Amino acid sequence: AQKVTQAQTEISVVEKEDVTLDCVYETRDTTYYLFWYKQPPSGELVFLIRRNSFDEQNEISGRYSWNFQKSTSSFNFTITASQVVDSAVYFCALSEAVGNAGNMLTFGGGTRLMVKP
Amino acid sequence: SQTIHQWPATLVQPVGSPLSLECTVEGTSNPNLYWYRQAAGRGLQLLFYSVGIGQISSEVPQNLSASRPQDRQFILSSKKLLLSDSGFYLCAWSVFLREELFFGSGTQLSVL
Repeated sequence: AQKVTQAQTEISVVEKEDVTLDCVYETRDTTYYLFWYKQPPSGELVFLIRRNSFDEQNEISGRYSWNFQKSTSSFNFTITASQVVDSAVYFCALSEAVGNAGNMLTFGGGTRLMVKP
Repeated sequence: SQTIHQWPATLVQPVGSPLSLECTVEGTSNPNLYWYRQAAGRGLQLLFYSVGIGQISSEVPQNLSASRPQDRQFILSSKKLLLSDSGFYLCAWSVFLREELFFGSGTQLSVL
């Protein structure tokens, strides 16, 4: 069965600090997708990124970057020069690309990031 | 572009009362539709998903039910709410199963 662990339940940083949100996953499949979502105080989950298990290239999008390492089953998310608007709950998720229909996205418990001015 | 609408935004209901939450998607055909629940301070739990009209799969046994009367409409219902049904309910859609989901703005349900 697939599982996603976000060990950091809450992180507090001061504006302009860099912060890394950890995500560790478990799956028996070789083909899977990994995701990150942002949930601001308004509640709506915003899709940030999807990574295919065959693509281990790191990705950078502005102040956001993602480090995918299959060897350690991790998909960590770094925010550079954090801003107050980055304050939110961030969810990592996993889905197996094949298999029975029950393998929908499995979400981690989320990490609440608080960026203080 | 595709949009997803979910209402109401907040709802306060007494124990034992019925429930109906509605979700509609615009700008796409034959989407996969989902209902998730998020209990306070916790992660997301998949309740139901649907791959087509009238096709509902339940992930968790409970006193909730879902229906899909039209291609882009997904309804979450209950005949009698329990205190434990309180939470934040999110509707979502996707193009393909197991790929990225796009979420509605959510409904905060308080059962008193």
